[in-house]
Amino acid sequence: AQSVTQLDSQVPVFEEAPVELRCNYSSSVSVYLFWYVQYPNQGLQLLLKYLSGSTLVKGINGFEAEFNKSQTSFHLRKPSVHISDTAEYFCAVSDRYTGGFKTIFGAGTRLFVKA
Amino acid sequence: DVKVTQSSRYLVKRTGEKVFLECVQDMDHENMFWYRQDPGLGLRLIYFSYDVKMKEKGDIPEGYSVSREKKERFSLILESASTNQTSMYLCASSSGPSGANVLTFGAGSRLTVL
Repeated sequence: AQSVTQLDSQVPVFEEAPVELRCNYSSSVSVYLFWYVQYPNQGLQLLLKYLSGSTLVKGINGFEAEFNKSQTSFHLRKPSVHISDTAEYFCAVSDRYTGGFKTIFGAGTRLFVKA
Repeated sequence: DVKVTQSSRYLVKRTGEKVFLECVQDMDHENMFWYRQDPGLGLRLIYFSYDVKMKEKGDIPEGYSVSREKKERFSLILESASTNQTSMYLCASSSGPSGANVLTFGAGSRLTVL
């Protein structure tokens, strides 16, 4: 069964510093990968997704992620964070062959940007 | 611009009460989902539906049931609420069967069972 591991539960960082949120998934079969963001008191919204093609994916708000098949990783990065990036970030994976009904989410990483 | 609406943002119920959580989407999506979100556990799928009157169990269906009488509406029912069902409940929808389809989430319903 698929599983998703987000290696950091909390990441504190100063404003304008770079950040990387780490995500590893378990399966070696073809997958679709997603990062969702949840701002305080809101539902989740899509940040970016990897379906195929270029392994570097760009998303909203200056975030990007790199798909690494050999390491089964999909780490999220931003070169310079802003206070407004404070939120919880979820990595998610769905299987190409079983469809989108069983999207598996990681436990989440809480990003806290300090002034 | 709201696409997935959860009718109750905050609910407080007593143990043993029947609880209804309502979700409506206006995107004509075939698929609808109920997730439970708990700190350190991420999102866990309770039930999903890929068509009207169709439902499938997710990973943690015990203690829950669902109803989908209309395409746009998906209800989560707790027949007899218990304190371990205190949680944030998220409804989501998507179109089609592909795993590439993005989930659109509601704002969540925070349920406290006393």
